[in-house]
Amino acid sequence: KQEVTQIPAALSVPEGENLVLNCSFTDSAIYNLQWFRQDPGKGLTSLLLIQSSQREQTSGRLNASLDKSSGRSTLYIAASQPGDSATYLCAVMDGGSQGNLIFGKGTKLSVKP
Amino acid sequence: DGGITQSPKYLFRKEGQNVTLSCEQNLNHDAMYWYRQDPGQGLRLIYYSQIVNDFQKGDIAEGYSVSREKKESFPLTVTSAQKNPTAFYLCASWSLGNQPQHFGDGTRLSIL
Repeated sequence: KQEVTQIPAALSVPEGENLVLNCSFTDSAIYNLQWFRQDPGKGLTSLLLIQSSQREQTSGRLNASLDKSSGRSTLYIAASQPGDSATYLCAVMDGGSQGNLIFGKGTKLSVKP
Repeated sequence: DGGITQSPKYLFRKEGQNVTLSCEQNLNHDAMYWYRQDPGQGLRLIYYSQIVNDFQKGDIAEGYSVSREKKESFPLTVTSAQKNPTAFYLCASWSLGNQPQHFGDGTRLSIL
């Protein structure tokens, strides 16, 4: 059964720092991997989607990489800002794919001014 | 603007009562999903539907029921058999292929 783990569970950094969030998964037979952002009490906002055949995706200050063979993905945030404070969730879509997402527990990021 | 609307935002359930959470999408997506989120936990799949009049159980379907009579609507009923219903419920839709799932703003369910 697919399991997704995110490390660290929480992270606090000063404004301007570059940072890396980690995600690992146990079964490499995935359809894609997605990174989401969740603000307190809100739904999920999709940040980046990496297809199983891709190695990375970039959007603005965000860069996500995928190493399917080792079961790892990283989300790199450049020049962090207080507005980046949120919980970041990693999810893999099963290789099926019926669209079912398996989520990690998230990394809670706090960027201090 | 296209999107997913969940209502109500907050819902309270009395002992022995069934409650229904609404999810409507105007994205013309074929597939819809219900997830449950507990504090400090990842989202867990309750039910999903890839086509009208058809749906499948997810990992934690016990105590829940759904219907899919229209493409744009996928209501979730939390029955009295669900003994621990307090959670944040999120509805999502998907157009199939390598596209991201879209999520609603959620419904927070509590017990009175």
